Amino acid sequence: RKEVEQDPGPFNVPEGATVAFNCTYSNSASQSFFWYRQDCRKEPKLLMSVYSSGNEDGRFTAQLNRASQYISLLIRDSKLSDSATYLCVVTAGGSSASKIIFGSGTRLSIRP
Amino acid sequence: IAGITQAPTSQILAAGRRMTLRCTQDMRHNAMYWYRQDLGLGLRLIHYSNTAGTTGKGEVPDGYSVSRANTDDFPLTLASAVPSQTSVYFCASSDTPQTPIYGYTFGSGTRLTVV
Repeated sequence: RKEVEQDPGPFNVPEGATVAFNCTYSNSASQSFFWYRQDCRKEPKLLMSVYSSGNEDGRFTAQLNRASQYISLLIRDSKLSDSATYLCVVTAGGSSASKIIFGSGTRLSIRP
Repeated sequence: IAGITQAPTSQILAAGRRMTLRCTQDMRHNAMYWYRQDLGLGLRLIHYSNTAGTTGKGEVPDGYSVSRANTDDFPLTLASAVPSQTSVYFCASSDTPQTPIYGYTFGSGTRLTVV
């Protein structure tokens, strides 16, 4: 089993729809969680951090479920510009950078 | 503009040649990383540095070496390039290695083709 797993998609949804996807992780000691967005042939960019209490940034909501070991990203009222690949990032804690794991990404395509 | 600069943007390299990919950050971040991204495999960590003067091996270090002589620069060297090293290479940095307040900042990448 991969340490971090994402449904690769693609998710193809109409503009204005709500879409959600999850990212599961295997290391129960994981401490920090992030969602990144990556556009085609571009670098990943931080979308939002994921806090234990959950957090919201405009149309985007991130949740953490430690018991089931997954994080989720919900996008409401989706826009054409939301089309991208969404990567989850999980870090295992400690002082080393060796336990930062990126998911392979979920492709999202918003159609008019 | 604060951020990470990578050079070159793209390169076609003959197999067996030596090449250094450059990475410079101006955010005074302690930790820096090199990733490669291949279709279907996501981002894989090659080497990392928790702080200036230290480096460590990531998931796929073979064929690559790094140095971290100062806070700002983290070059990646391919001693003798092979076609399997054809990939997109991203340099990244963060204020701390494991629990960065602002996440990880990425450079715009280097597209390397080894022929």
